Order: sequence, then C-alpha cells, then structure tokens
Amino acid sequence: QVQLKESGPGLVQPSQTLSLTCAVSGFSLPSNSVHWVRQPPGKGLEWVGTVWSGGSADYNSALKSRLSISRDTSKSQVFLKMNSLQTEDTAIYFCTRGYTTFFDYWGQGVMVTVSS
Amino acid sequence: DVVLTQTPPTLSATIGQSVSISCRSSQSLLDSDGDTYLNWLLQRPGQSPQLLIYSVSNLESGVPNRFSGSGSETDFTLKISGVEAEDLGVYYCMQATHAPLSFGSGTKLEIK
Repeated sequence: QVQLKESGPGLVQPSQTLSLTCAVSGFSLPSNSVHWVRQPPGKGLEWVGTVWSGGSADYNSALKSRLSISRDTSKSQVFLKMNSLQTEDTAIYFCTRGYTTFFDYWGQGVMVTVSS
Repeated sequence: DVVLTQTPPTLSATIGQSVSISCRSSQSLLDSDGDTYLNWLLQRPGQSPQLLIYSVSNLESGVPNRFSGSGSETDFTLKISGVEAEDLGVYYCMQATHAPLSFGSGTKLEIK
C-alpha cells in the first residue's frame, strides 16, 4: 500500500539549515509528484513545494530563495532543504503524494521547532 | 496568487444536523481544460489531512456519501448531510487550478 514517512531533526537552531527526508513506498517517484506542506502550530496549511514526476521542482515563491527539493528515485526518497531558518518556520512538515490535481496520501508529519 | 476565503471559521453542530461550509476564490478556478480543480480536505485532531472531495464534487474512495461538494468559478460549498461524531475537525478547501496551489484558512467543526 502507499505510504509516506517524514524524518528529520525535531529542533533546529535559528539561521541553520533544515534537512528533511520523505521515504515513500507503494508507488514510484517517476510516476507521481511529491509535495511538502507545512502547518505552524494551531494554524492552517501552507504549500511549500514539490518535485514533479519528471524530476523538476517548484517552490512557494515566499520560500524559494531558501528552499531546495530533490529526490533519489533508487531509494524512493524525497528531500527538503531549507536554509536560514527562523522561528516562523516552526511547523509540522508533511509530505504528500500528488495524484493529478489533488493529494491522495499523506505522511504523518514531522514537527520542526526552530529555537536556540 | 489565489486567495481562498472560507466561512464560517467555526461551526457547531449536533449529531444528525446538516451543515455547509463556503469557500470563495479570488479568481475563477475554471481551468482552460474545462475542469475546476477545487478540493476539500478534513484534518481530524492530531491527524494528517485527508482528501474528501476532488474537482468540486467527486467523492474520494471510502468517503461517506453524506459529504457532497458543489459550486463553480469562484463559489464552492461542502455539505455534510447528517453530521456524525467522527466528522469533527478542520475542513480546508484547496485549489490546484492556478500555480502556486493554495489552501483556505479552514473551518473548524465542533460537535455540540
């Protein structure tokens, strides 16, 4: 069955770089896009970016200068790297599978706290 | 960028009551291919969001048929016909017609 699982550090210091991994199973990365969505504590959902099935990436314009999303198809993993982290980046980060124009499967999410 | 405005922000309902949530878009969500890419998601407390409805009115597999979606262009509605206890949570609309895709601010459904 389709599964996505996020992993990464729970705590990151301000101005440092966040690295997250989304391990997927039950589908192949060349067949589907994988998106990152984040949710600050008690707030709504924000699209972060995606790696498309063809391998190219798109980013939220507000985060684009700090963000990189890539993948390793052989390992079925998608990576998010965001630099210059600030407290406003504190959030739960979800990865989710894109199916045509909607998200059909979601990971459990990983909480990232930016604090010294 | 497309802004999605959801109303009401919170909703309190009794079991069996029918409720509606509105999602209004700052731009038409009718795509050049003739389809409208407006989806509805539910996030139960402590859980990841889950897809309820895609492309305005198509029920995702496994979703109870008490959920229905309607609308066009800029005005969309999610209706729950007979709320059940498991329906509590935050409902989000989401558009994928225009890049970047975007979410509404959410509607929290509470059970009285």
